[in-house]
Amino acid sequence: GQQVMQIPQYQHVQEGEDFTTYCNSSTTLSNIQWYKQRPGGHPVFLIQLVKSGEVKKQKRLTFQFGEAKKNSSLHITATQTTDVGTYFCAANSGAGSYQLTFGKGTKLSVIP
Amino acid sequence: DAGITQSPRHKVTETGTPVTLRCHQTENHRYMYWYRQDPGHGLRLIHYSYGVKDTDKGEVSDGYSVSRSKTEDFLLTLESATSSQTSVYFCAISEPGLGYTDTQYFGPGTRLTVL
Repeated sequence: GQQVMQIPQYQHVQEGEDFTTYCNSSTTLSNIQWYKQRPGGHPVFLIQLVKSGEVKKQKRLTFQFGEAKKNSSLHITATQTTDVGTYFCAANSGAGSYQLTFGKGTKLSVIP
Repeated sequence: DAGITQSPRHKVTETGTPVTLRCHQTENHRYMYWYRQDPGHGLRLIHYSYGVKDTDKGEVSDGYSVSRSKTEDFLLTLESATSSQTSVYFCAISEPGLGYTDTQYFGPGTRLTVL
């Protein structure tokens, strides 16, 4: 099945600094989704990217899908304490599949 | 948040006992999923269902069984719980639309401890 590697596993930043997490696959992805899980909470859908080279923004969050559709990134500008949590990327488990394979996540800590 | 509830929310049990976790949705979504979440492993799919009485195995299905007799309910059973099944279990739902994947909405989770 599809595997997605996500780095880094942990990231500690000072409030106001930027943060980026990366998701990589050895095979071409049909699309990629990003989820956020707050401490003690459940994963919540953030966005889906479908097109090669696609860039989407949600306020301070910028999501990119690589030209080859094998990698993706989530960038947060000027982190805030509300950004704390674990960010997961997820991709189809295979052609025609509705199942998702999740990356292991990047846990973001923001130091006030 | 989507209308998904999980019960119980917390459970402590002993090795060898049967355990059933319930996921209930009010969204009438066709697909339902059970995941487990462990430190260092992220979310791993246990079983999923694509309709009433239609289920299939995921990545880590050994030791687990599922049943779906109604659209709204998806049960996960540990026939004989082991300490390695101590985890947080999440249910998720989705409704296929255009394309291959659709947003998954997660329940609040069940924290299971097997002593």
